[in-house]
Amino acid sequence: EVQLLESGGGLVQPGGSLRLSCAASGFTFSSYAMRWVRQAPGKGLEWVSGIRGSGGSTYYGDSVKGRFTISRDNSKNMLYLQMNSLRAEDTAVYYCARDWGDSSGYCDHWGQGTLVTVSS
Amino acid sequence: DIQMTQSPSSLSASVGDRVTITCRASQGISSWLAWYQQKPGKAPKSLIYTTSSLQSGVPSRFSGSGSGTDFTLTISSLQPEDFATYYCQQYSTYPLTFGGGTKVEIK
Repeated sequence: EVQLLESGGGLVQPGGSLRLSCAASGFTFSSYAMRWVRQAPGKGLEWVSGIRGSGGSTYYGDSVKGRFTISRDNSKNMLYLQMNSLRAEDTAVYYCARDWGDSSGYCDHWGQGTLVTVSS
Repeated sequence: DIQMTQSPSSLSASVGDRVTITCRASQGISSWLAWYQQKPGKAPKSLIYTTSSLQSGVPSRFSGSGSGTDFTLTISSLQPEDFATYYCQQYSTYPLTFGGGTKVEIK
């Protein structure tokens, strides 16, 4: 059974940093691209970032480019999102999601999410 | 960026009703469209990919159709567990983009 478990969310001040983690199990982690998708309170879904199975290619949404960094450790089945220079508008539940393959863009499994609140 | 526009933004329906949600892309995306269901306080759940392929375990009352820029999600006979918000997503081009959502409520 595919399982994705996010952690690392919390309250952070504007301008601060936070690192999200996603522990994956139940599948061959290195064979799949992974994504981060967020949802601001009461709002819709927004794709944040993606990374290929090998980690060799990464992708970012315009709103986080230059501030967020996605990475993965295939030896530990872990996905990460380093978030720097956080803004109030980054407040959201952040979901880790598995791609259907190594580059499709369709997310077939989702974690339960972790809440990030950016506020002074 | 490709904009995804869903309509309606909300609808009220009764158990047993046939429900149709539309999604329009601002430019052609071939068949690279997915649909997700989300219930309050829960993570999204994958329903349909490549316009019309059902994710494993999804009931057959859900179906998808379309191509190019216009797509639909149909629930043939609405069940109590189907009351939720539905999102379309294009994965033809980066950045990946979602529609604004359609909330299906009980009439």
